[in-house]
Amino acid sequence: DADVTQTPRNRITKTGKRIMLECSQTKGHDRMYWYRQDPGLGLRLIYYSFDVKDINKGEISDGYSVSRQAQAKFSLSLESAIPNQTALYFCATSGPGGDSYNEQFFGPGTRLTVL
Amino acid sequence: KNQVEQSPQSLIILEGKNCTLQCNYTVSPFSNLRWYKQDTGRGPVSLTIMTFSENTKSNGRYTATLDADTKQSSLHITASQLSDSASYICVVRPMNTGFQKLVFGTGTRLLVSP
Repeated sequence: DADVTQTPRNRITKTGKRIMLECSQTKGHDRMYWYRQDPGLGLRLIYYSFDVKDINKGEISDGYSVSRQAQAKFSLSLESAIPNQTALYFCATSGPGGDSYNEQFFGPGTRLTVL
Repeated sequence: KNQVEQSPQSLIILEGKNCTLQCNYTVSPFSNLRWYKQDTGRGPVSLTIMTFSENTKSNGRYTATLDADTKQSSLHITASQLSDSASYICVVRPMNTGFQKLVFGTGTRLLVSP
């Protein structure tokens, strides 16, 4: 299924370049998230958005920015990419409902390499 | 500090065999614990969710157990199939925090060999 899509799926770029990763969802969810995944580490939250007008920093937001263009679209930007931002990036969404059972649905990921 | 540790890091088993993956956490109090399956090149997909009051939860050949006293969970896979080859991630949601707050384990990479 393609409820949460990410583009591009793979990207190789050079140090200092500006990069934008895009996420779109058809699940109708208000809540969207950006994570990065590194080998040997658990997923870490970069930014999250409760709705179009609400954007919040996660635990590792330095060097990143986001834009919530619409309910269905949430973009992550690396203003000046550096090699330690090489990672697998995931977008996720979650819907309304009680906190206890609020499942996050993940996109397929973007593999970013910064040379 | 809230942490989730998984073992083993990787595991190879023969098709048809059973296996058990472990998750130890320090998150306390916690709201729920999920096991996710992440296929290569895909995002994680939820397999099971358990609250602190539940001891076991099954989803087909997957059975998760939870011991809230020892802060341990396990995921048991029965009669493994080649399609079970994936990473399995244990995720704990702390109680009394925002719904965005999840603590992820580093995962166990399972390879099912024919």
